Amino acid sequence: GGIITQTPKFLIGQEGQKLTLKCQQNFNHDTMYWYRQDSGKGLRLIYYSITENDLQKGDLSEGYDASREKKSSFSLTVTSAQKNEMAVFLCASSINNYAEQFFGPGTRLTVL
Amino acid sequence: GDQVKQSPSALSLQEGTNSALRCNFSIATTTVQWFLQNPRGSLMNLFYLVPGTKENGRLKSTFNSKESYSTLHIRDAQLEDSGTYFCAADLPGTGSNRLTFGKGTKFSLIP
Repeated sequence: GGIITQTPKFLIGQEGQKLTLKCQQNFNHDTMYWYRQDSGKGLRLIYYSITENDLQKGDLSEGYDASREKKSSFSLTVTSAQKNEMAVFLCASSINNYAEQFFGPGTRLTVL
Repeated sequence: GDQVKQSPSALSLQEGTNSALRCNFSIATTTVQWFLQNPRGSLMNLFYLVPGTKENGRLKSTFNSKESYSTLHIRDAQLEDSGTYFCAADLPGTGSNRLTFGKGTKFSLIP
C-alpha cells in the first residue's frame, strides 16, 4: 500500500499571484498527474510526468507550470492566479503510464 | 461533444434499492476506471476494468468494449454509497494513460 499527500489542503491567493501546489507519493510509482476539478464537474488533465524530470502537457496546461523534481514528488505552479480558476486540484499516480491511477485528497484553490 | 457520457446525471433512491449507472464512450477505449467521490471530495477507486466484469461486495461493473459502454450496478444501496460516481477511460490517440472523465452521477440516498 501507499499514500498520496497534497499540500496545502486549502490555498488562498490574490489575483495575479504565483502559487505552488505540492504532491508526494510513496507508492514508488513512475507516473504522476495533475487534474483540475471545477465545482460539480469531472476532472481535466493539466500535466503529467512518466518519470523523474519528464513533463507532458494535458488538455488544460495553459497558465500552469509543473516540475517533477524527483520520483516521489510532482509540483504544480499556477503562474498568475485568476478568479475563474478557483477549483480543486487533484494529484494522482500510477505504477506506469498504462495502469490504474490513485488520487490524493486534493487542494482547494480560492482566488481573491 | 463529450467523449465520455455518464447517465443519469443525478439519482435519488431509497435505502435498500438497486441501481445502475452507465458510461458511454464515443470512441473505442481499452480500460475503464470507476471512482466514488465522497462528500469530503476524496476520490476512491472502485474498479479498474479491461473488457469483462468485476464484482466487489454490493458493487458490480461491466465493461463492454465492442459496444463502447460500461455499467456500474449498486445492490442494496446504503447511506455510505452516497456521493458522485465518475467513470474515466483511456482514449486512444492521447498517449499514455490519459484518463478522460465523465461529468459524474450524483447519487443520494433517501433514508
